[in-house]
Amino acid sequence: DAKTTQPPSMDCAEGRAANLPCNHSTISGNEYVYWYRQIHSQGPQYIIHGLKNNETNEMASLIITEDRKSSTLILPHATLRDTAVYYCIVRWGGTASKLTFGTGTRLQVTL
Amino acid sequence: DTEVTQTPKHLVMGMTNKKSLKCEQHMGHRAMYWYKQKAKKPPELMFVYSYEKLSINESVPSRFSPECPNSSLLNLHLHALQPEDSALYLCASSQLDRLNYGYTFGSGTRLTVV
Repeated sequence: DAKTTQPPSMDCAEGRAANLPCNHSTISGNEYVYWYRQIHSQGPQYIIHGLKNNETNEMASLIITEDRKSSTLILPHATLRDTAVYYCIVRWGGTASKLTFGTGTRLQVTL
Repeated sequence: DTEVTQTPKHLVMGMTNKKSLKCEQHMGHRAMYWYKQKAKKPPELMFVYSYEKLSINESVPSRFSPECPNSSLLNLHLHALQPEDSALYLCASSQLDRLNYGYTFGSGTRLTVV
């Protein structure tokens, strides 16, 4: 699976949009971009995934560049409860592929 | 039921003890996983079960022994552990008949080896 690069930490004011970037320049055509987050002392939580089109669900939006070498997770109105480590993972879409976590971005939402 | 339940939530064991971690899901997922997470590090994959058969072992020491007795249950048997095995052990599950599906994680068992 392709490797990803994320900034180690980011800050965001409550109520503002949090934009978390991820570089995955070696992604191949059949690999998907997944985002998970882990709030302190809890298990990781699935947020969203996409192949090449932008995706939106009730939690977040995922913007993937046209060349698919990078993506951005957008939390439109961050709250204190969104403080967590956010992991961007590139994974082959096959059912037997592994979910391998990188070091992630620690997002701190402040008042 | 959309949860993965792990028990116990906390476990303290001596290096000569034998203990087991339990994971249960009733979502009909046919893939189940064990991850290990040390403090301030990302989760690391240990084992993958597909249709109740072990499909991936990430070179985990034999003092960790997984078992999948049925499609809803996953156990991790622990024996002769070392203090460095102290960590958060996470269980997850996913569907196998749908591509591109997210994993559902439990809240983990925090293990301390003394």
